[in-house]
Amino acid sequence: RKEVEQDPGPFNVPEGATVAFNCTYSNSASQSFFWYRQDCRKEPKLLMSVYSSGNEDGRFTAQLNRASQYISLLIRDSKLSDSATYLCVLGTSYGKLTFGQGTILTVHP
Amino acid sequence: GAVVSQHPSWVICKSGTSVKIECRSLDFQATTMFWYRQFPKQSLMLMATSNEGSKATYEQGVEKDKFLINHASLTLSTLTVTSAHPEDSSFYICSAMDRPEAFFGQGTRLTVV
Repeated sequence: RKEVEQDPGPFNVPEGATVAFNCTYSNSASQSFFWYRQDCRKEPKLLMSVYSSGNEDGRFTAQLNRASQYISLLIRDSKLSDSATYLCVLGTSYGKLTFGQGTILTVHP
Repeated sequence: GAVVSQHPSWVICKSGTSVKIECRSLDFQATTMFWYRQFPKQSLMLMATSNEGSKATYEQGVEKDKFLINHASLTLSTLTVTSAHPEDSSFYICSAMDRPEAFFGQGTRLTVV
């Protein structure tokens, strides 16, 4: 079983749509959780950290369920600029990251 | 925010030659840096953990003699792909932690012909 598994996608949605990505992880000792965004041929960039209490940043909401080992990302009111690959990422205290395979999102007019 | 600079951004080399990639933390010190590799349509896979002043720790399946890592200072780690072959063509990315966030270099696209 992969350490981090994501929805295979790809997701193709119209502008303004709400889209949700899911991610499960197998290592219950994982300490930190993130969603990264990667544009084509670019390095990943942190979108947001994920906490058990849930966190929201504008149109983006992330949620962590430690009991179920499940992470989610919700994007509301999708924009064309949201088109990218979204990576579910687990981290250790010293910076080692484990990446999911990524889910491709395409937002069309 | 913290910046990690990676150089070169792309390189084309002949089979059998060696290529060195540099990763610098510009405004913070990083005792640990990480090297990842990403093949087309796949996610980033950790290759090795670079430790300042000591040997790198390699992930299973990554040949330490082929991918030489040197972390001689708190701001610089280098990855040398020795005797490169076409199957080594990939996107190589380094990262360093400036707590609580990990920052990535811009990546190096290596093409071996």
